[in-house]
Amino acid sequence: SAVISQKPSRDICQRGTSLTIQCQVDSQVTMMFWYRQQPGQSLTLIATANQGSEATYESGFVIDKFPISRPNLTFSTLTVSNLSPEDSSIYLCSVVGEVRAFFGQGTRLTVV
Amino acid sequence: EDQVTQSPEALRLQEGESSSLNCSYTVSGLRGLFWYRQDPGKGPEFLFTLYSAGEEKEKERLKATLTKKESFLHITAPKPEDSATYLCAVQGGASGGSYIPTFGRGTSLIVHP
Repeated sequence: SAVISQKPSRDICQRGTSLTIQCQVDSQVTMMFWYRQQPGQSLTLIATANQGSEATYESGFVIDKFPISRPNLTFSTLTVSNLSPEDSSIYLCSVVGEVRAFFGQGTRLTVV
Repeated sequence: EDQVTQSPEALRLQEGESSSLNCSYTVSGLRGLFWYRQDPGKGPEFLFTLYSAGEEKEKERLKATLTKKESFLHITAPKPEDSATYLCAVQGGASGGSYIPTFGRGTSLIVHP
């Protein structure tokens, strides 16, 4: 199993600013995943973060808006840049094990 | 492309009124089907993994079943504390496809006392 610590748990940010979300895993993992969950919607994969290489972004998500760092096998950050109210969502990091996906506690972002 | 469709989108039950949530899926080489519970503003909490058709798993008032095309989450005599969104996801890749889980939109369950 894996335990993921994600922070902050919530934040309220001004338009045009950025928020960086951190995820720490208690074991080494090759890939970490970042999801967005908009109000009333399911989880949408933003990108896959690989250690030692650039992240792989899903259609509709770009590096300039969602830069990701993966400095080692237990840590990753997601930055949401140039915030607008449409970015208000829950952001989740995740790792996939043999039998299931593990999630962080989520970051609830509100942009005002 | 893997797909997951959950129904109904929302379900309101009286306490003690049993019901089922549906998860229909298409996947390239099923490695596992997952059920999660998600409370508002929090990350998904793992409930079950099912691997093959005919498999069943139970936890308290919840029972998950799996066929080749769908899974059901049966809730027996629900209580208000069972109110949450229930997410279904599939992980493919057993036949070379993607192993990244694909999630459904969820079923929002409200249980009234």
